[in-house]
Amino acid sequence: NAGVTQTPKFRVLKTGQSMTLLCAQDMNHEYMYWYRQDPGMGLRLIHYSVGEGTTAKGEVPDGYNVSRLKKQNFLLGLESAAPSQTSVYFCASSREDRDNSPLHFGNGTRLTVT
Amino acid sequence: QQQVKQSPQSLIVQKGGISIINCAYENTAFDYFPWYQQFPGKGPALLIAIRPDVSEKKEGRFTISFNKSAKQFSLHIMDSQPGDSATYFCAASISGAGSYQLTFGKGTKLSVIP
Repeated sequence: NAGVTQTPKFRVLKTGQSMTLLCAQDMNHEYMYWYRQDPGMGLRLIHYSVGEGTTAKGEVPDGYNVSRLKKQNFLLGLESAAPSQTSVYFCASSREDRDNSPLHFGNGTRLTVT
Repeated sequence: QQQVKQSPQSLIVQKGGISIINCAYENTAFDYFPWYQQFPGKGPALLIAIRPDVSEKKEGRFTISFNKSAKQFSLHIMDSQPGDSATYFCAASISGAGSYQLTFGKGTKLSVIP
């Protein structure tokens, strides 16, 4: 049982390049999320999805786009990477939130933008 | 406006000692307070959670204490072990409002030295 799988694990981009981070979950969860983690800043929500075909903005959505074409996958895109997007990105998933179901996180993607 | 303030930012404890991490919140509508534990190179994982109808919850060596009137809650790790070395995040949310509005503290890096 893999849980939440993120690919790639590491990536280095040059300013202006684009890339897509892939998140896949095998728990049949409705909700999926993308967070970024920066030193001293904690976890900040970028975008989230409450079901297949839906997406919504979180706390820090600028410079990112997302898509959820299949229930098990949630993609995070950077169209024109900037050094400020150097971070560790975490995907998470959860059941419907009727009882504060816990977030299940992947192991992260470390992105460096030079 | 930071809705959940966590302290200290880092903590060094000797093996066998008590680790204490504190969090304070502002929104009185919060009614669910989870703690997440993150080991290096891994994603966060739910450790323990509490609701305001109880003042304390204990799971093994981990205890959450909750003070509703002071709008504070804390994590106590008894008999701290080197294997407890991790980053700990407190969080707060409103039941039923969706896990996407889960508000995290900025994290505490705990180091337990032998």
